[in-house]
Amino acid sequence: TAGITQAPTSQILAAGRSMTLRCTQDMRHNAMYWYRQDLGLGLRLIHYSNTAGTTGKGEVPDGYSVSRANTDDFPLTLASAVPSQTSVYFCASSDWTASTDTQYFGPGTRLTVL
Amino acid sequence: AQKVTQAQTEISVVEKEDVTLDCVYETRDTTYYLFWYKQPPSGELVFLIRRNSFDEQNEISGRYSWNFQKSTSSFNFTITASQVVDSAVYFCALSEGPGGYQKVTFGIGTKLQVIP
Repeated sequence: TAGITQAPTSQILAAGRSMTLRCTQDMRHNAMYWYRQDLGLGLRLIHYSNTAGTTGKGEVPDGYSVSRANTDDFPLTLASAVPSQTSVYFCASSDWTASTDTQYFGPGTRLTVL
Repeated sequence: AQKVTQAQTEISVVEKEDVTLDCVYETRDTTYYLFWYKQPPSGELVFLIRRNSFDEQNEISGRYSWNFQKSTSSFNFTITASQVVDSAVYFCALSEGPGGYQKVTFGIGTKLQVIP
């Protein structure tokens, strides 16, 4: 089973350009999440989605947008990238109807904004 | 505001030693969730455990055990008979309210090195 896939694996992006980080899960989980990980700051939640068609803001949503048109996909868009958005981005999913509600993570996307 | 403190930045132990990773949290909510995650040197993130605030029962999973004490606002993680494969950064996290992962705050992590 693939679990969660993220694309691209890494990217160098010029400041001011837009980019969409892709995330797809094949576990039919209802909830999905985007985190960023920065050295010394740990992980921070950007946006989440409890079910298809709904999204919510996490701790650091500014400069990012998400959509959840279906259960499997949860793309993260940077409309106009800035250097402070250089980070490693992780997508995750979970099934909040399950008793254990284990969270699964994708392999991450390393983004550098110059 | 919620807060998670992992005071141990780095820990080194010799293989087969037991090691405890500390996690202290702050929250004003009576309903909250606590988590531990593992990030090996390869970089992937692995979910280890999720515990809600109404369940103070300690948890054991193989060599891993977790001690949740509301009286001291702590959710410590112990690895028994450590192995080299346990070398990783471990994150403790807290999420306030009944929503699970939606309002999560992570600690900065504890880097564990297990020396053969």
